[in-house]
Amino acid sequence: DVKVTQSSRYLVKRTGEKVFLECVQDMDHENMFWYRQDPGLGLRLIYFSYDVKMKEKGDIPEGYSVSREKKERFSLILESASTNQTSMYLCASSRPGSLAGPQHFGDGTRLSIL
Amino acid sequence: QQQVKQSPQSLIVQKGGISIINCAYENTAFDYFPWYQQFPGKGPALLIAIRPDVSEKKEGRFTISFNKSAKQFSLHIMDSQPGDSATYFCAASYYNQGGKLIFGQGTELSVKP
Repeated sequence: DVKVTQSSRYLVKRTGEKVFLECVQDMDHENMFWYRQDPGLGLRLIYFSYDVKMKEKGDIPEGYSVSREKKERFSLILESASTNQTSMYLCASSRPGSLAGPQHFGDGTRLSIL
Repeated sequence: QQQVKQSPQSLIVQKGGISIINCAYENTAFDYFPWYQQFPGKGPALLIAIRPDVSEKKEGRFTISFNKSAKQFSLHIMDSQPGDSATYFCAASYYNQGGKLIFGQGTELSVKP
């Protein structure tokens, strides 16, 4: 079974802090994604990556950056956390290509910015 | 044109009833339409998916109906059970997006015993 592991289930940070959310997958997937989930808005794509050191902006990249130094690890960085970034963050991975099949999700990190 | 609109936002169904969730899209280039199921405290997981060359796909109690001309697709859960209580997301993607999915807003389903 594919396993996508997010380093923290719950995280509380202060406004202005630099926040790192980590994600690791064990299925050698090329594609990795970061989403935020908010009630009534569904899952919105922040950034995605098709390969090591490659990244592309999703629909809501403002205030975020990402890092992918190794194939299995994809990090989301909040450069200067703000209260409107309080949310559930979900990481996913999938095989490459247009018919990539299912995305496999981690269980999420619930981030609170005070 | 990239949006996928999902309704209703919440749904309450009696045990044994039929749950129906609807989605609509604009981009005719979409060629893959999955449904994801999410239980509390868990990430979404693929439930069932369809491609536009078929009008219906059934897996157990779950059926996707697809209407290409209307640009709509729906999830039907037959004989709904309390264990089906979860949040359901429709999604869509197309060839040039390399696996990137566009999700609907989600439907919170509650099946009452």
